[in-house]
Amino acid sequence: EADIYQTPRYLVIGTGKKITLECSQTMGHDKMYWYQQDPGMELHLIHYSYGVNSTEKGDLSSESTVSRIRTEHFPLTLESARPSHTSQYLCASSESTRGQFFGPGTRLTVL
Amino acid sequence: GEDVEQSLFLSVREGDSSVINCTYTDSSSTYLYWYKQEPGAGLQLLTYIFSNMDMKQDQRLTVLLNKKDKHLSLRIADTQTGDSAIYFCAESSGYNKLIFGAGTRLAVHP
Repeated sequence: EADIYQTPRYLVIGTGKKITLECSQTMGHDKMYWYQQDPGMELHLIHYSYGVNSTEKGDLSSESTVSRIRTEHFPLTLESARPSHTSQYLCASSESTRGQFFGPGTRLTVL
Repeated sequence: GEDVEQSLFLSVREGDSSVINCTYTDSSSTYLYWYKQEPGAGLQLLTYIFSNMDMKQDQRLTVLLNKKDKHLSLRIADTQTGDSAIYFCAESSGYNKLIFGAGTRLAVHP
């Protein structure tokens, strides 16, 4: 079944740790996105990709980095997590103008 | 710059219609979208409308677009408790990027 997956769903870590949030989609979409969202608030685009080896920074400055080595995979990495990174991270993909499809999100808490 | 605005809260009685409003600024937006987010979940694409359309209906959902006023609305007929969620309006911003509003929290009460 075509879908978009994010792991882990919840993550609690200490300050200074390196983390990678995983995002995979089985729809063959070229375009993928990462958003940051505080609970119940608006979404902010932090990274996007239009295809393999293509990554761009979004509208909200972020200390995270992304890579796109395979079409289906778009991981996000924080080299040194801080409490200010506590948030929900949503991954999405799209193929056409018919909208973006979202994963379930990763809720990150940095102590 | 591009901006999307929504009212933050809406409370309706079960069985009534809900109307969620949105205004946007980018007149070149070709598509406009409505998403639903339930607690602790990602966003679910409900419907979208092309900018050369005035109305789109999909079961209980009706989208109205007033391009002159840059106003978009989502009407939910016969609102149920399962419709309680946050509803986000979004406009396309080139290259499939989306600009989201802050979301309207819909509360459905008996």
